[in-house]
Amino acid sequence: DTEVTQTPKHLVMGMTNKKSLKCEQHMGHRAMYWYKQKAKKPPELMFVYSYEKLSINESVPSRFSPECPNSSLLNLHLHALQPEDSALYLCASSHDQQSSYNEQFFGPGTRLTVL
Amino acid sequence: GENVEQHPSTLSVQEGDSAVIKCTYSDSASNYFPWYKQELGKRPQLIIDIRSNVGEKKDQRIAVTLNKTAKHFSLHITETQPEDSAVYFCAAFDFNFGNEKLTFGTGTRLTIIP
Repeated sequence: DTEVTQTPKHLVMGMTNKKSLKCEQHMGHRAMYWYKQKAKKPPELMFVYSYEKLSINESVPSRFSPECPNSSLLNLHLHALQPEDSALYLCASSHDQQSSYNEQFFGPGTRLTVL
Repeated sequence: GENVEQHPSTLSVQEGDSAVIKCTYSDSASNYFPWYKQELGKRPQLIIDIRSNVGEKKDQRIAVTLNKTAKHFSLHITETQPEDSAVYFCAAFDFNFGNEKLTFGTGTRLTIIP
């Protein structure tokens, strides 16, 4: 399996809802990433997990809470989001964070709309 | 931290002609430079990459060149086809210890005119 998968594909939520985005890979990668992408903009790094530990938090608001239950799974828990958080949320993985084998493979993304 | 600039922001090319997209980076510690293609509504896909110990790399119609001294790298697409129409992002991998991550350029919207 050489793909990163994400669920759901689309999500509409109110500002008081709690929801979770899920990401999975079975390539044996030990680094996993969450990106946020607004229309016509590049992906913006949010979090990096390396060997299941949070390695980088790009000063993301606490209403976004990442979790890495095991080496294949990455979750992003959402709570009390704002309309400006509406975006495409991309998950990616790579062999590991530091080595030269660091090609990142992206999932298809979750299109999030906050009402 | 790393800063990546990308030009042009939009590019229209007649089918069959060549397209060139240029990027500059700021951090001399960066040593891995991937290019991603993103079609509308789809995920970014790696199309070619280059590491700092190489000056040029080619894969069929796509080539990337790297000038470490000047800190710039370029994507070259020859014999362009309609399916090359997409947004292209360059990126630089920042190897600063404890902060290893990709920094993306702002993107180039390439349109191939049939």
